[in-house]
Amino acid sequence: SQTIHQWPATLVQPVGSPLSLECTVEGTSNPNLYWYRQAAGRGLQLLFYSVGIGQISSEVPQNLSASRPQDRQFILSSKKLLLSDSGFYLCAWSDTGELFFGEGSRLTVL
Amino acid sequence: GQNIDQPTEMTATEGAIVQINCTYQTSGFNGLFWYQQHAGEAPTFLSYNVLDGLEEKGRFSSFLSRSKGYSYLLLKELQMKDSASYLCAVRDQWDDYKLSFGAGTTVTVRA
Repeated sequence: SQTIHQWPATLVQPVGSPLSLECTVEGTSNPNLYWYRQAAGRGLQLLFYSVGIGQISSEVPQNLSASRPQDRQFILSSKKLLLSDSGFYLCAWSDTGELFFGEGSRLTVL
Repeated sequence: GQNIDQPTEMTATEGAIVQINCTYQTSGFNGLFWYQQHAGEAPTFLSYNVLDGLEEKGRFSSFLSRSKGYSYLLLKELQMKDSASYLCAVRDQWDDYKLSFGAGTTVTVRA
């Protein structure tokens, strides 16, 4: 069966510090991979998606970036965090359209 | 793009029925999803509709009318564990890879 894991689960970072969130999927090949952000009391905002290794589509301009160095690995990064980057970050995968989410990473930028 | 609307909050009594409405406006429609999200957790898949009509899955049912840009999620025999946020999401006809989510409806079940 397929599984998805992301880490770390919780982060508290100062403004201007770097960020790296990692996500891996097991039990499937060539999945579509996604990073979503959920701000407090708001809906899920699609940040990036990838349909293959090295292929990244960005949905919103921001100081975040994503990379897919391996088929089942998806990384969300920032060189310098802003206060507005705080939120609940969710990695997800799909093959036929339904999304399966990782456990989520809660980021607080102070 | 997508414009998805759903009520912010609903409250119901244990054992009752609650209907969560979702309306959407989209340039191209290719399916509607409902997800359940408990506080502090990731969303989990509940249902998928691509054709008009009702899909039933145990205590949960989902309905779609493509001509009206309308869906609802029906929760029957409410239990305390059903207290959660329910997210409506629409898949783009022109970009199968993307789901756009509504802001979610927080359902509180009271004893």
